[in-house]
Amino acid sequence: DGGITQSPKYLFRKEGQNVTLSCEQNLNHDAMYWYRQDPGQGLRLIYYSQIVNDFQKGDIAEGYSVSREKKESFPLTVTSAQKNPTAFYLCASRDRHQPQHFGDGTRLSIL
Amino acid sequence: AQRVTQPEKLLSVFKGAPVELKCNYSYSGSPELFWYVQYSRQRLQLLLRHISRESIKGFTADLNKGETSFHLKKPFAQEEDSAMYYCALISGNTGKLIFGQGTTLQVKP
Repeated sequence: DGGITQSPKYLFRKEGQNVTLSCEQNLNHDAMYWYRQDPGQGLRLIYYSQIVNDFQKGDIAEGYSVSREKKESFPLTVTSAQKNPTAFYLCASRDRHQPQHFGDGTRLSIL
Repeated sequence: AQRVTQPEKLLSVFKGAPVELKCNYSYSGSPELFWYVQYSRQRLQLLLRHISRESIKGFTADLNKGETSFHLKKPFAQEEDSAMYYCALISGNTGKLIFGQGTTLQVKP
């Protein structure tokens, strides 16, 4: 199928630890997005990037960081400053004027 | 403020019954609206976009600007329709999606 690959599928974080979630796409899309999915709250935007070497904060960026050094990659780091990191994280990408395509997601839990 | 509201957390119907999942939005300008679906253990996928005006898996959705609604409808629900459904709109030209809270559709046999 290809498209958007998120890894790992499950991730556990210890207190005070930073963890990085991977998102890779082979669709040649310029724009990429990170969302957080919590029960009853839908999806909320964390960060997005419309082009390489540029990214913008979304609605809930505190405690997260991203980079966009390559077009196909948009990793998300959940820092120790994020006090409630347990959630399902979804990465998406989009070609201009087209709908977003989503990855399978990463479930992050606290040990 | 831009917002998408799905008033029902859970909608439970019997197989063969009509289904309507409600979605209301708040947006200044011309909205571009979508329905996404997430089946159990599968990735979130696009079901419908309003500009396509098409029917996918028997589902349709009409944009009603007067009522600021984009309700998803299907005349006869099937068990395989059981899933989480999200209504979303695109914000500006960045492609950011604003999602509703989601509605779980449960189709009973």
